[in-house]
Amino acid sequence: EIVLTQSPATLSLSPGERATLSCRASQSVSSYLAWYQQKPGQAPRLLIYDASNRATGIPARFSGSGSGTDFTLTIDSLEPEDFAVYYCQHRSNWPPTFGQGTRLEIK
Amino acid sequence: EVQLVESGGGLVQPGGSLRLSCAASGFTFSSKWMHWVRQAPGKGLVWVSRINSDGSSTQYADSVKGRFTISRDNAKNTLYLQMNSLRAEDTAVYYCAAPPYSSVWFPDCWGQGTLVTVSS
Repeated sequence: EIVLTQSPATLSLSPGERATLSCRASQSVSSYLAWYQQKPGQAPRLLIYDASNRATGIPARFSGSGSGTDFTLTIDSLEPEDFAVYYCQHRSNWPPTFGQGTRLEIK
Repeated sequence: EVQLVESGGGLVQPGGSLRLSCAASGFTFSSKWMHWVRQAPGKGLVWVSRINSDGSSTQYADSVKGRFTISRDNAKNTLYLQMNSLRAEDTAVYYCAAPPYSSVWFPDCWGQGTLVTVSS
């Protein structure tokens, strides 16, 4: 099973700042990686898939990059609604796994 | 509007059974793989199972293999998860998920979740 490690565990930033979230895989997942946002009491929301493709309806301030074992989710100019937990997920083999999450909180 | 609505969760004793349902609308259900993902209280996301579009192929997490069965009724646009021999560690919110607009393994449509609590 591929292990995804996200860092940092918690990121404290202010609205308007840029957020950079990291996801590292225990072995190569090629570009088969996605990012999700989850707010309390809500289902996950797909942001990015195949490492860099924005999902339908996702604002352009969200972008993804990386391949192999190292991936980054960047959120430019944070909006108040962006403060949430973010998960990465691979689909390189079965089972797909998620990282443990990065909590993005308001500073 | 693309929508998934789960039902069937609740409180069950260890060793008991439950069947979850997920009603889909707003997309061509019969052409899409479907997934179940769970989240224990305060914890992260875990893939439980997946089924291909015609139901001929399924996969399960090791933790539920032999106890859970995923199935679908394309005529009713409904996904199911039959859960038997339930354990305390199966306590979680169960989400069904589908990829109407994204790729198969990265679902962009999720239900609201249904809570399963296994406790005596």
